[in-house]
Amino acid sequence: DIVMTQSPDSLAVSLGERATINCKSSQSVLYSSNNKNYLAWYQQRPGQPPKVLIYWASTRESGVPDRFSGAGSGADFTLSISSLQAEDVAVYYCQQYYSVPRTFGQGTRVEIK
Amino acid sequence: EVQLVESGGGLVKPGGSLRLSCEASGFTFSNAWMSWVRQTPGRGLEWVGRIRSKNDGGTTDYAAPVKGRFTISRDDSKNTLYLQMNSLKTEDTAVYYCTTDGVVIVHTFDNWGQGTLVTVSS
Repeated sequence: DIVMTQSPDSLAVSLGERATINCKSSQSVLYSSNNKNYLAWYQQRPGQPPKVLIYWASTRESGVPDRFSGAGSGADFTLSISSLQAEDVAVYYCQQYYSVPRTFGQGTRVEIK
Repeated sequence: EVQLVESGGGLVKPGGSLRLSCEASGFTFSNAWMSWVRQTPGRGLEWVGRIRSKNDGGTTDYAAPVKGRFTISRDDSKNTLYLQMNSLKTEDTAVYYCTTDGVVIVHTFDNWGQGTLVTVSS
């Protein structure tokens, strides 16, 4: 199984400041035949199910604000929120879809400082 | 608008059984691969298993902790997904989510229900 490890477990950021979350996979999730990273990011607001923010490591889902961006390749990825808003308070998860079983990171809680 | 509505959760004793249902609307259910994902405070989000569309064989895959105990099935005439859970253990206690598996965004869990709580306790 591919193990996904996120850091930090939680972070507190001031409104308008940048938040950065890291995600490492235990093996590469880059599929060489199409040069795509099989990695998604999800946001889970309190009391809600998760929702897809980013897929293919850096493609924003329709309707997701452009302050959210994903980067990285192979086994190292980041999710950045360029200017934190109050509605971004949530837990963020990375998830690989390179192989079965699909696996998630443990989550990173983002709060307002 | 895609809607997924889970039902069937509740309290069950260890060793018992429970069947969850997920009623789907807003998309062509028969063409969709579907998954179950569960969430606990301790283990976070955990993929349980998936079922392919009948066009793609209708076959299933399961996570190791549930293989041989859980069965995913579908009734395309009712737009409904099922999760039959047998030989339940305390560690199966979780919120269970029904998700679409790549309906809009290939390979991702792109739509989620609100979840149903399963508690396994004596």
